[in-house]
Amino acid sequence: QVQLVESGGGVVQPGGSLRLSCAASGFTFSSYGMHWVRQAPGKGLEWVAFIRYDGSNKYYADSVKGRFTISRDNSKNTLYLQMNSLRAEDTAVYYCAKEVHYEHFDYWGQGTLVTVSS
Amino acid sequence: NFMLTQPHSVSESPGKTVTISCTRSSGSIASNYVQWYQQRPGSSPTTVIYEDNQRPSGVPDRFSGSIDSSSNSASLTISGLKTEDEADYYCQSYDSSNAWVFGGGTKLTVL
Repeated sequence: QVQLVESGGGVVQPGGSLRLSCAASGFTFSSYGMHWVRQAPGKGLEWVAFIRYDGSNKYYADSVKGRFTISRDNSKNTLYLQMNSLRAEDTAVYYCAKEVHYEHFDYWGQGTLVTVSS
Repeated sequence: NFMLTQPHSVSESPGKTVTISCTRSSGSIASNYVQWYQQRPGSSPTTVIYEDNQRPSGVPDRFSGSIDSSSNSASLTISGLKTEDEADYYCQSYDSSNAWVFGGGTKLTVL
């Protein structure tokens, strides 16, 4: 069965950096685009970034453009999110999610909490 | 980019029917598929409706989806409400400028 397991969350100071990972199994990782979606405490879902199956195209929400970088290693079945210049408003649970038919999501990880605080 | 607007909360009694709306701010609701995700407290989202009105396997037929071009909105209808349906529900659609848009979410209370 499909499993997505995020890791790398934690507490970081404003202006700091963090790299999240998402280990995928149960499907052919190299055949599917992948997303990061976040959810601030008590708030709704916010799409963050997408990477195509082969890494050829990457798209970002305006709120993270220029600060976050999505990448993948298909040989390791792993998705990454490099987060730099972190702000308090980046505090959220970060989910990785698998795309289906390009326009939507079919599997989500359990999420990893990132807290930006001094 | 367009926005998707949902009511903040709805409530209904067990056994009744509830409908949650999702209104697109610009562009046609029919331009891109609408999905609905259920998120129970402390859990990750799961799909209850995809591509406007399709149910994934395992989702009961009490859940249905539709779109209405006249109001430029999508709707999620849950009939025969059960206490287990109490959750947050999010609509989602794709913006052709390569962005994925979520509605603000609706908290469903079954009381």
